[in-house]
Amino acid sequence: QVQLVESGGGVVQPGTSLRLSCVGSGFSLSNSGMHWVRQAPGKGLEWVAVFSYDGSNKFYAHSVRGRFTVSRDISNNTFYLQMNSLRPDDTAIYYCAKDRFRPYFDSWGQGTLVAVSS
Amino acid sequence: DIQMTQSPSTLSASVGDRVTITCRASQSVSVYLAWYQQKPGRAPKLLVYGASTLQSGVSSRFSGSGSGTEFTLTISSLQPDDFATYFCQQYDGYPPWTFGQGTNVEIK
Repeated sequence: QVQLVESGGGVVQPGTSLRLSCVGSGFSLSNSGMHWVRQAPGKGLEWVAVFSYDGSNKFYAHSVRGRFTVSRDISNNTFYLQMNSLRPDDTAIYYCAKDRFRPYFDSWGQGTLVAVSS
Repeated sequence: DIQMTQSPSTLSASVGDRVTITCRASQSVSVYLAWYQQKPGRAPKLLVYGASTLQSGVSSRFSGSGSGTEFTLTISSLQPDDFATYFCQQYDGYPPWTFGQGTNVEIK
């Protein structure tokens, strides 16, 4: 059974950094594209970033490009989101999600809340 | 970027009603369209992908249709567990892959 568990969220000040983790079980990160999707309070879903299954491609939303970086540790089946230069509009629940051959999301974590406030 | 527009934003319905939600894309996405259900405080759940393929384990009262720029999600007979917010998502081509703004299905 596939399970994704995020951690690392919290309350931080603008301009600071945070790293989110997503531990996967029941599948291998080397066989799945992994994504971060966020949801601001009371708002809709926004795709943030992807790490392709073979590691050959990383793509980012316009709103986070140059500030956020995705990476993974296959040995620990863990997927990361390094967030730098955080801004108040980055405040959201961050979900990790896996895809299935194409970038739709068949499994999601429970989400971790990131709040950026002074 | 491809813009996804859902209608209506809110839908009031009763148990047993047939419900249809529409999602329109600003340009063709072929059949690369997924639907998700989200309940308060929970992660989204995949219902349909490929515009019309039901995800394993999802009730057959859900169905998806469409191609190109216009898509629909239909719930044939609304059940109490179906009151939730529904999102469409296009995944055609290169990113960014985008979501509709959501449709809240509430109890009439």
